[in-house]
Amino acid sequence: EAQVTQNPRYLITVTGKKLTVTCSQNMNHEYMSWYRQDPGLGLRQIYYSMNVEVTDKGDVPEGYKVSRKEKRNFPLILESPSPNQTSLYFCASSRQGTSGPYNEQFFGPGTRLTVL
Amino acid sequence: GQQLNQSPQSMFIQEGEDVSMNCTSSSIFNTWLWYKQEPGEGPVLLIALYKAGELTSNGRLTAQFGITRKDSFLNISASIPSDVGIYFCAGYSSASKIIFGSGTRLSIRP
Repeated sequence: EAQVTQNPRYLITVTGKKLTVTCSQNMNHEYMSWYRQDPGLGLRQIYYSMNVEVTDKGDVPEGYKVSRKEKRNFPLILESPSPNQTSLYFCASSRQGTSGPYNEQFFGPGTRLTVL
Repeated sequence: GQQLNQSPQSMFIQEGEDVSMNCTSSSIFNTWLWYKQEPGEGPVLLIALYKAGELTSNGRLTAQFGITRKDSFLNISASIPSDVGIYFCAGYSSASKIIFGSGTRLSIRP
C-alpha cells in the first residue's frame, strides 16, 4: 500500500530536549516536505527536499533541521524545542512530474507535538 | 513572504446548497491546488489547475484558475454531509516553495 508514515503520532516534551520526528515514504518519490499546521494559519512549509542530499528552506524553517540521506526518509529535527513549536506536523511526498513537484502530494497522518 | 488570502474562513450552510470559496495572492502562481482535510487526517488533493483561465471539474466540485494568475475559486454544487471539512487552496510557481491558504471550514446544517 502506497503511504507516508510518521512517528511518533503524538509527543509531549519539555523545552530544550532534542527530538526527531521520522517520515518515510514507499513510493520512490523525489520530493518530500514538512509542514506545520496551526489554527487559523493553514499549513506552512518548513523545509522541502527535491532529492537525496538536496534540501531547502520553506516559509518557516527557524528552529528546525532536516536531512535527506536516503530517498525514502526525511526526518525533522528540533534541536532545542520551544513552546511556540507546539503544533500539528505533516510530512508529504510527491513525484517530480511534468506538471510540477507538488501535484499528487501524499500526506502522512500527522504528528501532534506539545512542548511544555 | 508570499501570502494567500482565503475566504470565507468558515461557512455554515444547508444541505443541498451550493458553496463558493476563493483565494487571492499578492504574487503570480503557475499552479493552483485545492485540498480537503478531514479531522485527524492529512489534506487530500481535490483539483489541480495549471493554466490561467482553466476551469476544471471533479464531480460536484469545480475550480478555476484566475486570468491574472493571482486568484482561484472552488465551487461545490448541491452540498451533502460528507462535504464537511476544511478546504485549502495552495499555489506555487516553480520547483520550490508551496504556499497554503488559511482554510475554509465547511459545516452543514442537517
